[in-house]
Amino acid sequence: GEDVEQSLFLSVREGDSSVINCTYTDSSSTYLYWYKQEPGAGLQLLTYIFSNMDMKQDQRLTVLLNKKDKHLSLRIADTQTGDSAIYFCAERGSSGGSYIPTFGRGTSLIVHP
Amino acid sequence: GAGVSQTPSNKVTEKGKYVELRCDPISGHTALYWYRQSLGQGPEFLIYFQGTGAADDSGLPNDRFFAVRPEGSVSTLKIQRTERGDSAVYLCASSAIAGGEQFFGPGTRLTVL
Repeated sequence: GEDVEQSLFLSVREGDSSVINCTYTDSSSTYLYWYKQEPGAGLQLLTYIFSNMDMKQDQRLTVLLNKKDKHLSLRIADTQTGDSAIYFCAERGSSGGSYIPTFGRGTSLIVHP
Repeated sequence: GAGVSQTPSNKVTEKGKYVELRCDPISGHTALYWYRQSLGQGPEFLIYFQGTGAADDSGLPNDRFFAVRPEGSVSTLKIQRTERGDSAVYLCASSAIAGGEQFFGPGTRLTVL
């Protein structure tokens, strides 16, 4: 079945860039997502990329996709303390009309002064 | 409504009891999803509704779990004969159309003693 892997923790200094990495196994993935979860809150969609794209930039966020290696990354520029949260990578295929994303375990981003 | 709401926010029950968890999706959203998130894990899919019908219930772990959405808006997740392993945060999400961006509620934290 599908699998999505992420490292569990990342610690950065305020003002630095953060890079969160994700690998997935489903070669038919069509949509790849990054979600943010703050304590006690639900998941918030940050950004997504289609599988036919290499890169997507949205303000401080840059998503890079290496489809050959099934590797997705999220770069947050000028990381702020408010960016501290858990970041989930997720993928969704298109086979069988599935609308259900498969999530990784999440990466806890800790931003310190 | 302004967003997806879930009640109760916390539920503590004893092993063997029956519980109901409620989800109010964003008004007008036709698709509704239930996920379960255990500690340190990403959300795991349980069931997805399109309108009143369950379009995909392949994530329900066993027949103790059941969900309904009788009028195509509010949904209730029902768990019979609860077990300690059912302890988790139960997340609900809705989307305007099937496959559209999912908006998550804050979740219900279920603790089975």
